[in-house]
Amino acid sequence: GAVVSQHPSRVICKSGTSVKIECRSLDFQATTMFWYRQFPKQSLMLMATSNEGSKATYEQGVEKDKFLINHASLTLSTLTVTSAHPEDSSFYICSARFGLAGDTGELFFGEGSRLTVL
Amino acid sequence: GENVEQHPSTLSVQEGDSAVIKCTYSDSASNYFPWYKQELGKRPQLIIDIRSNVGEKKDQRIAVTLNKTAKHFSLHITETQPEDSAVYFCAARALGLLVGSNYKLTFGKGTLLTVNP
Repeated sequence: GAVVSQHPSRVICKSGTSVKIECRSLDFQATTMFWYRQFPKQSLMLMATSNEGSKATYEQGVEKDKFLINHASLTLSTLTVTSAHPEDSSFYICSARFGLAGDTGELFFGEGSRLTVL
Repeated sequence: GENVEQHPSTLSVQEGDSAVIKCTYSDSASNYFPWYKQELGKRPQLIIDIRSNVGEKKDQRIAVTLNKTAKHFSLHITETQPEDSAVYFCAARALGLLVGSNYKLTFGKGTLLTVNP
């Protein structure tokens, strides 16, 4: 099956620093990747949709200048949390769907990245 | 946009019993309904999905039913086992043929299923 790899799995940083999380589709091309945020015991909340070669589409209430998304290739999307604060501590998960034409429906999720901001 | 409601939020059953989780959705354009199982700290894993052109789908101990008219769908797990314990999420989205950003998966709030030995 399709594999999506996310890195790092855990990161601890100081308040005010920036953190980059990578999401890679290992064996397929992903024209669209999605970034979710999940707080403890809560559901996955979509933050933004990342399309290869174009600007990301952010959900209402998500600050695009704080959560920078880059989808430079068909296999890589990155999420950068800029000037992180303790309230940004969360589990960030990416997902990807198969690419260029048609839509099989299924999304493939990365392992998730647990961000802790001190 | 789509709104997905999921019930119950927690469910505790005895091993061997059945478990049923129900979801409703609001957007009549949604035509794809996956169910995910998520263990603590892990990624969501697709366990079964259904498209709107069918009313029921089964895969061994797991089944999903869909009522398009009422806009609700349910997950049924029979002969539950302790390893079924996890958080289950339903979701809904619209499928299409165009590459774009409007095929978002909207999740329910999740159901914590505990199967007691």
